[in-house]
Amino acid sequence: IVLTQTPLSSPVTLGQPASISCRSSQSLVHSDGNTYLSWLHQRPGQPPRLLIYKVSNRFSGVPDRFSGSGAGTDFTLRISRVEAEDVGVYYCMQARQSWTFGQGTKVEIK
Amino acid sequence: QVQLVESGGGVVQPGRSLRLSCAASGFTFSDYAMHWVRQAPARGLEWVAVLSYDGSNGYYGDSVQGRFTISRDNSKNTLFLQMNSLRVEDTAVYYCVRDPSVGGSRVGSFDIWGQGTVVTVSS
Repeated sequence: IVLTQTPLSSPVTLGQPASISCRSSQSLVHSDGNTYLSWLHQRPGQPPRLLIYKVSNRFSGVPDRFSGSGAGTDFTLRISRVEAEDVGVYYCMQARQSWTFGQGTKVEIK
Repeated sequence: QVQLVESGGGVVQPGRSLRLSCAASGFTFSDYAMHWVRQAPARGLEWVAVLSYDGSNGYYGDSVQGRFTISRDNSKNTLFLQMNSLRVEDTAVYYCVRDPSVGGSRVGSFDIWGQGTVVTVSS
């Protein structure tokens, strides 16, 4: 399964919203009824950290300005008001069939 | 404190072998499936291998199948990755990661990541 993220780079203004799209080459709905699409954030020099799992569930400690949505093959990560600590690369990831990642979207402040 | 600490990376010539280790602490290691994920320089993330909580089932990505072996020692809270027949394209930061799915409730992602260990394959 191939995941394609857009845009690949996103200059954003502090306090403004941002969104990232992730499109899958196949439906991510598993036979168990769940959709295994998650979002991770990687700051420079750090390992990735989990933000969102199963499309829209925020992981423990993740601020509520982060939200995930979507279904089937099209998914979106939204940041309601970008803060300085949100810079870095965002990856979508699927776990319906093995595990694969999108190519990443770099978020930077204008 | 939940923690994963990788070790064993280094510089190795093509065709040689290397063994990575990952020491887990702060949680019941034997309850969780564990993975290795790698990231080539200035590149994205690539899943490498997974091993079930009890070590009975392991699966590999196509690019490492037949060359890498994942294993664990639950008595020592340690995960391993034996890498044989290394290629230049195996050069990457290797992360040990935890799969938080337990008791039949699947999460479908990775919640704890180590800081990574660097493997460089070069002649």
